[in-house]
Amino acid sequence: NAGVTQTPKFQVLKTGQSMTLQCAQDMNHEYMSWYRQDPGMGLRLIHYSVGAGITDQGEVPNGYNVSRSTTEDFPLRLLSAAPSQTSVYFCASRLREGTEAFFGQGTRLTVV
Amino acid sequence: AQTVTQSQPEMSVQEAETVTLSCTYDTSENNYYLFWYKQPPSRQMILVIRQEAYKQQNATENRFSVNFQKAAKSFSLKISDSQLGDTAMYFCAFMKGGGSNYKLTFGKGTLLTVNP
Repeated sequence: NAGVTQTPKFQVLKTGQSMTLQCAQDMNHEYMSWYRQDPGMGLRLIHYSVGAGITDQGEVPNGYNVSRSTTEDFPLRLLSAAPSQTSVYFCASRLREGTEAFFGQGTRLTVV
Repeated sequence: AQTVTQSQPEMSVQEAETVTLSCTYDTSENNYYLFWYKQPPSRQMILVIRQEAYKQQNATENRFSVNFQKAAKSFSLKISDSQLGDTAMYFCAFMKGGGSNYKLTFGKGTLLTVNP
């Protein structure tokens, strides 16, 4: 049972480049979300999804897009990378209200 | 909006001793969930313990227990018999119940170091 799988684990981008962070879960969870972790800031919600075809914005959505075409996959797209997007990104999923959120191993992204 | 405050950016403890990490939160909700997550140097986020606000009994998981004070909006984590493997960043998190509970609100974290 793989749980939540994120790829890549590390990435360096140049300012202005675009890329997609992949997230897949095999637990048939309806809820999926993306967080970014910055030093001294904890984790902040970027976008979330409550099921296939349904997405919405979190606290810090600017510069990011998401889509949810299947229950399993929830990719995060950086449209035009900026140095302010240098961060560690986590994908998480959970089954229903109040249950444990399972996290991927994170992607460390550096924008130069 | 909910806020979560962890007032101790760093703590240290000797192996085998007990340590308590503080967490307070601000909410007007009555139905919610509270969590402690551990993030070791591997970066993986691991659930330590979970508390449902409507349950008065404090949650426990082996060496980990919480002191949940709903009126005071306090949710501290006690680690007994600390082990070197407990060295990690610990995050307190809040989740609203009853419907569109998509969001975990995290505190800024407490870095715990267990010394031999």
